[in-house]
Amino acid sequence: EDQVTQSPEALRLQEGESSSLNCSYTVSGLRGLFWYRQDPGKGPEFLFTLYSAGEEKEKERLKATLTKKESFLHITAPKPEDSATYLCAVRGGAQKLVFGQGTRLTINP
Amino acid sequence: DGGITQSPKYLFRKEGQNVTLSCEQNLNHDAMYWYRQDPGQGLRLIYYSQIVNDFQKGDIAEGYSVSREKKESFPLTVTSAQKNPTAFYLCASSSAGANTIYFGEGSWLTVV
Repeated sequence: EDQVTQSPEALRLQEGESSSLNCSYTVSGLRGLFWYRQDPGKGPEFLFTLYSAGEEKEKERLKATLTKKESFLHITAPKPEDSATYLCAVRGGAQKLVFGQGTRLTINP
Repeated sequence: DGGITQSPKYLFRKEGQNVTLSCEQNLNHDAMYWYRQDPGQGLRLIYYSQIVNDFQKGDIAEGYSVSREKKESFPLTVTSAQKNPTAFYLCASSSAGANTIYFGEGSWLTVV
């Protein structure tokens, strides 16, 4: 069974303090690993799709990386507006999308 | 603007009543999905449809029903058989054969 585990559950940083969020996964035949950002009371906003180990993608202060067992979402010099819950999901050979529970990120000014 | 529109944003239901959540998309996407989100849990798939007039059950379909009469629309009915319906409901869509799905803004359902 495909599984996704995100850590930590919550992370509080000071503005400008860089860090990383982890997404560990087990999947049969990875068809894609996805990162979303979700603000309170809103729908998830798509950030990145990664397909193979070694792949990296960047958007502003965010960079997503992928290995065969996990993905990291690196946040460089974060600002308060980066505060949100970040969701990770994988799609395997069964084509089903499996989500992790999310990491709630708070950036203090 | 292209996107996925869910309505209403907030809905209150009395026990024993059915309620229908609307989802409309103008992205020309073939596939549409309904997810449920509860605090501390990942998103769980309720139903999905890859083509008009066809849909499949997801992981937690009991107590829910859907229809797909038009490509743009995928309404979800929460029936009185759903034991714990209070949750945040998310509609999503994707292009045929695409891996990435895009979400609407969600609907909050509260049973009172």
